[in-house]
Amino acid sequence: GAGVSQSPSNKVTEKGKDVELRCDPISGHTALYWYRQSLGQGLEFLIYFQGNSAPDKSGLPSDRFSAERTGGSVSTLTIQRTQQEDSAVYLCASSFRDWNEQFFGPGTRLTVL
Amino acid sequence: KQEVTQIPAALSVPEGENLVLNCSFTDSAIYNLQWFRQDPGKGLTSLLLIQSSQREQTSGRLNASLDKSSGRSTLYIAASQPGDSATYLCAGVAGGADGLTFGKGTHLIIQP
Repeated sequence: GAGVSQSPSNKVTEKGKDVELRCDPISGHTALYWYRQSLGQGLEFLIYFQGNSAPDKSGLPSDRFSAERTGGSVSTLTIQRTQQEDSAVYLCASSFRDWNEQFFGPGTRLTVL
Repeated sequence: KQEVTQIPAALSVPEGENLVLNCSFTDSAIYNLQWFRQDPGKGLTSLLLIQSSQREQTSGRLNASLDKSSGRSTLYIAASQPGDSATYLCAGVAGGADGLTFGKGTHLIIQP
């Protein structure tokens, strides 16, 4: 596809379950970013990949969050033992090189019951 | 840590008016600044990117300026249309391993 794609578009889960969110960046984009948008918190940066490596994971909200990227393309954000405060829209973006114009996907809306 | 503020939080104007949205940031060591629009329930659409070495960028009816010394950016929308109604977000990045730092946005309504 031409743009950044994310799946699933919506995910409803029960507290304590693990979830996996997927991001497919624009072909040829080496940099990939994850953000979270929640009511009252605005948009917050979570993690950035250059190729397959993430130089700094300190933006992840807790150790229940992890992310990986394989083959310099697809990335997955995993949340273990989900909590209600994890409910938010998780957005992925990619750019041609580090810190060039970022293009966002449509997001995954996560609801933790 | 970079902080980004957008004023006003909300704005409603009649169709056809020219308008200015304001964005201020605390850290002048900004690598680039990007303006987005977000429609309800949708992702972010990139409007303009201004590199730190640039002072402005234009795309159609949109013009964005960047003044690093004063820590300000403005988005000028000419001849506003109802289709311009959306939330407009500005975001800056300092580089390194930091991501974009976003403002809270300006919710814009263009009245037909």
